[in-house]
Amino acid sequence: EVQLVESGGGLVKPGGSLRLSCAASGFTFSRYNMNWVRQAPGKGLEWVSVISSSSDYIYYTDSVKGRFTISRDNARTSLYLQMNSLRAEDTAVYYCARDAYGDKYFDSWGQGTLVTVSS
Amino acid sequence: SYELTQPLSVSVALGQTARITCGGNNIGSKNVHWYQQKPGQAPVLVICRDSIRPSGIPEHFSGSNSGNTATLTISRAQADDEADYYCQVWDSSTFFGGGTKLTVL
Repeated sequence: EVQLVESGGGLVKPGGSLRLSCAASGFTFSRYNMNWVRQAPGKGLEWVSVISSSSDYIYYTDSVKGRFTISRDNARTSLYLQMNSLRAEDTAVYYCARDAYGDKYFDSWGQGTLVTVSS
Repeated sequence: SYELTQPLSVSVALGQTARITCGGNNIGSKNVHWYQQKPGQAPVLVICRDSIRPSGIPEHFSGSNSGNTATLTISRAQADDEADYYCQVWDSSTFFGGGTKLTVL
């Protein structure tokens, strides 16, 4: 069974940093592209970032470029999101999501971790 | 940027058919995927590539896509289908529709 378990969320002040983790199990992690998708309170889904299976390509949504860094450790079957210079508008539940193999949709999601940016 | 337009809400009587639309410029030329999200839970993929049901998704979910509109159809709607539904496409990046709240009356 595919499992994605996020951690690392919490309350942080504007301008602060946070590192999210996503522990993957139940599938061959190194074969799949992985994403972060977020959802602000009461709002819709917003794609944040993708990293390819071997980390050879990485993309971000414009609003986080230069502030967020996605990475992965295939040996540890883990995905990460380093978030710096956090803003109030980054407040959201952050989901780790697996790309369907060879396609660009999300066939498995974690339960999410809440990031709150507030003074 | 690629804009996807969904109605904010759709209501359906128990046992009837609900249709949730997702509008986009020439969306019929793209693959559209649909997610169901219940309160406090993560999204779940219910339709991929316009009309394919992933394993474990009930048969009363179906999808279609043509022209400028993709449609998620929920036949014989059940109380358990009450949720938010999001469409998603890839067009050089990933885009989601704003979401539709389905109410089963």
